[in-house]
Amino acid sequence: GAVVSQHPSRVICKSGTSVKIECRSLDFQATTMFWYRQFPKQSLMLMATSNEGSKATYEQGVEKDKFLINHASLTLSTLTVTSAHPEDSSFYICSASQGATAKNIQYFGAGTRLSVL
Amino acid sequence: DAKTTQPTSMDCAEGRAANLPCNHSTISGNEYVYWYRQIHSQGPQYIIHGLKNNETNEMASLIITEDRKSSTLILPHATLRDTAVYYCIVRVAHNQGGKLIFGQGTELSVKP
Repeated sequence: GAVVSQHPSRVICKSGTSVKIECRSLDFQATTMFWYRQFPKQSLMLMATSNEGSKATYEQGVEKDKFLINHASLTLSTLTVTSAHPEDSSFYICSASQGATAKNIQYFGAGTRLSVL
Repeated sequence: DAKTTQPTSMDCAEGRAANLPCNHSTISGNEYVYWYRQIHSQGPQYIIHGLKNNETNEMASLIITEDRKSSTLILPHATLRDTAVYYCIVRVAHNQGGKLIFGQGTELSVKP
């Protein structure tokens, strides 16, 4: 299947700092990327849908000013957790798709484990 | 959005077939059934998907009932590396961006 690369795999930061996570589609152009968050022993929760060249669409309850998403090219989307706090500590996972229809398979990155001290 | 119901957990003996059921009784005609799995602390891995016909690939087989209200994922010869959480997801219609909404999934434990 297609490869989605996510970087970094793990990050530890101090409370109040901002953290940027990158998601790249390595062998295909991704018109749509998705960002998920997963807390321990829970399922993945969709945070937002990122479309190349346009503003991200956030799920209900997700603060857009807190989680900044940029999808500047067809192979790269970034998630910036601004002014991170300990409650933002979580496993963040991105996925990428060549299209936005139900026929298009989403491929996932390996995830980024964020720990905020 | 169509919801899915899966057993919380299942065990399977190594080398035997693992049959993972999924109920999606409210599925719409244009919604696909997708299966992903997540091995501990990794991103989900795509397994297979289908609309109404049975599907098979190198990883698994997907059996969808004729009324499309349920499906079964079959891992023909389970190995210890197949231990993971398996998610059955009904893909929302295209005009909602093709989002994947994950439920709780089935935690499959393959035992020696």
